[in-house]
Amino acid sequence: AQSVTQLGSHVSVSEGALVLLRCNYSSSVPPYLFWYVQYPNQGLQLLLKYTSAATLVKGINGFEAEFKKSETSFHLTKPSAHMSDAAEYFCAVSESGGGADGLTFGKGTHLIIQP
Amino acid sequence: EAGVAQSPRYKIIEKRQSVAFWCNPISGHATLYWYQQILGQGPKLLIQFQNNGVVDDSQLPKDRFSAERLKGVDSTLKIQPAKLEDSAVYLCASSPMGQLMAFFGQGTRLTVV
Repeated sequence: AQSVTQLGSHVSVSEGALVLLRCNYSSSVPPYLFWYVQYPNQGLQLLLKYTSAATLVKGINGFEAEFKKSETSFHLTKPSAHMSDAAEYFCAVSESGGGADGLTFGKGTHLIIQP
Repeated sequence: EAGVAQSPRYKIIEKRQSVAFWCNPISGHATLYWYQQILGQGPKLLIQFQNNGVVDDSQLPKDRFSAERLKGVDSTLKIQPAKLEDSAVYLCASSPMGQLMAFFGQGTRLTVV
């Protein structure tokens, strides 16, 4: 069975500092990995996805993530945090490549940006 | 392009009452999902439809939850009777067939008292 572990329920960084949100996965097959962002009282918005092409994936709003099979990780980074990045971030995994099957989500990481 | 529409946005009911949520996916999207997001947790898949057929409902508590997608477009999720632990945000999402990308609605926040 697939699973996702997000390390740190809350991460606080200063505006302009590096953002690093950690995600480790467990999957019995080569996975498809996703990062979603959720702003207060909103649905989830896709930031980026890994689908077995390039291991370094670039997404929206300056975010990127690197797939490391040896570490079973898919950490999300952004070089310089902005106040508007404050939100909840979810890592998710899917084992199905044939179609958009349901995702298994981590518990989320709340990103706090300090001015 | 219009997004995934859900209604109502908020609902408060007493335990043992019934409630229904409605979802209108993005036009042309064959796949529709219902997720349950309990406070402080990530979303959990309840049911997935492909057109009007159920693909996966393994995590749907079928003794009290039901869902349908008539004509392969709109969908409703029903809870009857509701329990306190059903308090959560219910998210609907849709995706084009074969696409590894789901678009989420804003969700319905259910409070059971």
